Amino acid sequence: EVQLLESGGDLVQPGGSLRLSCAASGFTFNNYAMSWVRQAPGKGLEWVSAISGSGGRTYYADSVKGRFTISRDNSKNTLFLQMNSLRADDTAVYYCARGYIAAAGTEYWGQGVLVTVSS
Amino acid sequence: DIQMTQSPSSLSASVGDRVTITCRASQSISNYLNWFQQKPGKAPKSLIYGASSLQSGVPSRFSGSGSGTDFTLIISSLQPEDFATYYCQQSYSSPLTFGGGTKVEIK
Repeated sequence: EVQLLESGGDLVQPGGSLRLSCAASGFTFNNYAMSWVRQAPGKGLEWVSAISGSGGRTYYADSVKGRFTISRDNSKNTLFLQMNSLRADDTAVYYCARGYIAAAGTEYWGQGVLVTVSS
Repeated sequence: DIQMTQSPSSLSASVGDRVTITCRASQSISNYLNWFQQKPGKAPKSLIYGASSLQSGVPSRFSGSGSGTDFTLIISSLQPEDFATYYCQQSYSSPLTFGGGTKVEIK
């Protein structure tokens, strides 16, 4: 069974930093691209970032480019999102998801973790 | 970026009704169209991938069709557990983009 478990969400002040983690199990982690998708309170889904299975290619939404960094540790089956220079409009539930540009897109999702940016 | 437009943004329906949700892409995405269901406080759940392929375990009352730019999700007989928000997603080209969502409410 595919399982994705996010952690690291918190309340952080504007301009601060946070690192999210996503522990994966139930599949061969390095065979799959991974994505982060977020959902602001009461809003729709917004893709944030993705990384190839090897970690060699990364992709970012314009809204986070230069502030967020995606990475992965294939030896530990873990995905990361380093978030710097956080702004109020980054407040959202952040989901880790398996997949990216592919036939099934983001097929499996974690339960999500809340990031609140506020003073 | 490919824009995904869903309609309607919300609808009210009764148990047993046939429900149709449409999704239009701003350019051709072949059949790289996926549908998700999201209930309040929960993560999205994949229902249909590749425009028309049902995910394992998803009831057969859900079906998808379309290719190119126009796609449809149909719930043939709405059940109480189907009241939720539905999103389409294109996975044809970067960046991934989603439709704005369709909230299905109880009439």
